[in-house]
Amino acid sequence: SQELEQSPQSLIVQEGKNLTINCTSSKTLYGLYWYKQKYGEGLIFLMMLQKGGEEKSHEKITAKLDEKKQQSSLHITASQPSHAGIYLCGADIATSGSRLTFGEGTQLTVNP
Amino acid sequence: DAMVIQNPRYQVTQFGKPVTLSCSQTLNHNVMYWYQQKSSQAPKLLFHYYDKDFNNEADTPDNFQSRRPNTSFCFLDIRSPGLGDAAMYLCATSRGGPVVGYTFGSGTRLTVV
Repeated sequence: SQELEQSPQSLIVQEGKNLTINCTSSKTLYGLYWYKQKYGEGLIFLMMLQKGGEEKSHEKITAKLDEKKQQSSLHITASQPSHAGIYLCGADIATSGSRLTFGEGTQLTVNP
Repeated sequence: DAMVIQNPRYQVTQFGKPVTLSCSQTLNHNVMYWYQQKSSQAPKLLFHYYDKDFNNEADTPDNFQSRRPNTSFCFLDIRSPGLGDAAMYLCATSRGGPVVGYTFGSGTRLTVV
């Protein structure tokens, strides 16, 4: 089974709507990263979280790491077509050493 | 700006013909990684170098090799590309250790014909 589970796998929303993407680990997270990827392109770094309860925001995107450090959520407020893409969570997982493990990604479509 | 640069952005190679992908960094990071990302899948770690120490993932096929001649450069060699090796190849760097951040290049999209 996957070490990092993302949900939902895909999401279609109307412009202006809020949405949440979740990332759950089967192991303790030392660090949690959110990336955005446009089809066929590289990864764009969004945010890094490392402390339980930590919350960071950038423009209309907010990410939170839960207190027990095994789950993170990414929330987009008032979505825009520019938010469309694939959102990937990546994590430094206990026992994995210095490497990043990824979830399967969430494909976000924002309809005008 | 300090960054991770991958060349080329797009690579087309023939079935069975060796191909090399390149990654360079100006960040002076200790660790360099190669990930393979197939369509609609998560990036999968192939191997990484911590300084000169090579770390291969257990399920990385022997067909994939890597070289790191110096701190700045790392190469991915595919000895005999098959159709199943068509993918986006992502290079990343970090300072090493947990929770230090990772910087990714723009990727090389490999097509095998």
